[in-house]
Amino acid sequence: DGGITQSPKYLFRKEGQNVTLSCEQNLNHDAMYWYRQDPGQGLRLIYYSQIVNDFQKGDIAEGYSVSREKKESFPLTVTSAQKNPTAFYLCASTPRRTVTTNEKLFFGSGTQLSVL
Amino acid sequence: DQQVKQNSPSLSVQEGRISILNCDYTNSMFDYFLWYKKYPAEGPTFLISISSIKDKNEDGRFTVFLNKSAKHLSLHIVPSQPGDSAVYFCAASAKTGTASKLTFGTGTRLQVTL
Repeated sequence: DGGITQSPKYLFRKEGQNVTLSCEQNLNHDAMYWYRQDPGQGLRLIYYSQIVNDFQKGDIAEGYSVSREKKESFPLTVTSAQKNPTAFYLCASTPRRTVTTNEKLFFGSGTQLSVL
Repeated sequence: DQQVKQNSPSLSVQEGRISILNCDYTNSMFDYFLWYKKYPAEGPTFLISISSIKDKNEDGRFTVFLNKSAKHLSLHIVPSQPGDSAVYFCAASAKTGTASKLTFGTGTRLQVTL
């Protein structure tokens, strides 16, 4: 089955700790995205990558970092600089590197990050 | 500044009746609109979309209406089924060059009761 796999499903972070959320896709999609969902808010774009070894900041990139060393993988690191990291994190992908506005996103099942 | 707004956080509808979910937007550059459905602890899944050059798009029980002059769109589900109970997100897209950067609304939680 093709899809996007996010792990872990639940993650706890201690104060001052960096944590990394995994996102793997076997859809052969070019572009990958990270969104954050907070209660009562819409999804907000953190980072996106259209091609291997390249990524761009989204609307709320501060306190986060990403890498795209392989087409299939787009891990997100939540650094200690992110002061309010508790949220539901969603990874997504689109088939093409250059998308038209009608390209729909395929989402993973998400990771719930909480601060201890 | 919330460019895409879903003013009703929740909606309860009886099974078999029509569910109407509303969405308003402020950015006139949006040219494509999508609805996503999300179950708890899962990622959103694409439901239906509409281009700004159309005013209606239908797919089975789901119909999306777009009123560009009012900057308003709505999702109609007829008839509503218990499995439709989920959070529905409205999203809008504008030409930003090369990336898909959707702007999402805050979501409406639909509860379909027996």
